[in-house]
Amino acid sequence: LAKTTQPISMDSYEGQEVNITCSHNNIATNDYITWYQQFPSQGPRFIIQGYKTKVTNEVASLFIPADRKSSTLSLPRVSLSDTAVYYCLVGDPRNTGGFKTIFGAGTRLFVKA
Amino acid sequence: GAVVSQHPSWVICKSGTSVKIECRSLDFQATTMFWYRQFPKQSLMLMATSNEGSKATYEQGVEKDKFLINHASLTLSTLTVTSAHPEDSSFYICSAPPGRLITDTQYFGPGTRLTVL
Repeated sequence: LAKTTQPISMDSYEGQEVNITCSHNNIATNDYITWYQQFPSQGPRFIIQGYKTKVTNEVASLFIPADRKSSTLSLPRVSLSDTAVYYCLVGDPRNTGGFKTIFGAGTRLFVKA
Repeated sequence: GAVVSQHPSWVICKSGTSVKIECRSLDFQATTMFWYRQFPKQSLMLMATSNEGSKATYEQGVEKDKFLINHASLTLSTLTVTSAHPEDSSFYICSAPPGRLITDTQYFGPGTRLTVL
């Protein structure tokens, strides 16, 4: 599984757009990029997943450059409730007969009023 | 979306006792489930892969005799912390993939807070 590197923490203010970048230099051809959000004392929650270019859903966008060695999670107009830890994961869901997920350190996002 | 539940949500036990944590997939079948442990301010650490009808696969450094995993049905996996000690106090989380499509992702349970006195 490809190793990922994210900033340890980020601060933002309500209403701002937040971009969290994740480096995954050793990403393999079949690997997908997945982002999870975790609030204290809760299990992680899926945010978005992509393979290349741009993916957008109702909560976030994921930008992946052509070389796929990094990706950027974009959260539009954050609110206080977006304060959480965000994890970037890279892996091939078809491996190991199940979707073994190895978490990196994550990025602690703190949104201020 | 797919739902994974855990029971109990929190448990306090005395040192030396055993504690069982259940992980259920409520609206899908899961031949594979994963168990994680998370200490305060740290990331999730994968402990083991639970396989329905066969033995669990443990990650390096995780004692299989300490953390017993049973995946007896397609909707239930259990983690038993045997002879628990204070250092086993942690947040335990399970997850399961709802399908086998390449775009399927894992769904995580709400976690179980274990405190060993």
